[in-house]
Amino acid sequence: AQSVTQLDSHVSVSEGTPVLLRCNYSSSYSPSLFWYVQHPNKGLQLLLKYTSAATLVKGINGFEAEFKKSETSFHLTKPSAHMSDAAEYFCVVRTKTSYDKVIFGPGTSLSVIP
Amino acid sequence: NAGVTQTPKFQVLKTGQSMTLQCAQDMNHEYMSWYRQDPGMGLRLIHYSVGAGITDQGEVPNGYNVSRSTTEDFPLRLLSAAPSQTSVYFCASSPRQGAYNEQFFGPGTRLTVL
Repeated sequence: AQSVTQLDSHVSVSEGTPVLLRCNYSSSYSPSLFWYVQHPNKGLQLLLKYTSAATLVKGINGFEAEFKKSETSFHLTKPSAHMSDAAEYFCVVRTKTSYDKVIFGPGTSLSVIP
Repeated sequence: NAGVTQTPKFQVLKTGQSMTLQCAQDMNHEYMSWYRQDPGMGLRLIHYSVGAGITDQGEVPNGYNVSRSTTEDFPLRLLSAAPSQTSVYFCASSPRQGAYNEQFFGPGTRLTVL
């Protein structure tokens, strides 16, 4: 069975400091992993995805994530937070053998302090 | 190319009323799905479809019906609305081939059941 854990429900950082949003997954098969962002009262936008190519994945707006199979993790990072990064972030797992069902993590709310 | 569209954006229902949330996509995607988003719970899959004429239940299907008569449209029906169905509903689509494809989300429908 697949599952996704986002270890922090809320993260607060100062503008210009690094961002780390943690995600751990459980999957019986090699997964595809995604990070989505949702700004207040908006739909979901894809930040980046891992599909078994490079383990370090670069996304939009300066975000990147590293797939670590040994740790079953896919943490999202950004070197320097911007006020516009304040949003809800979702880690998502989708397996190769069962692409019909997609599992979302509960989300991490990121606040950026000026 | 409008992507994924949803109507209405907002809806208020009384307990026991029925209604249909509309979803359409113009990307010729075979896979479509409906999610509900509740605070602290991420997105939960209600129903999904892998092509016209084929639907299946997700994690929280009770109280909802779907049909897929065309590739483009995937309406969600609430048979007898209950306050527990107050939520934000998102429709999503993706190409059918493989698990590497990200989902494209509509803007959401905010539903309140009184």
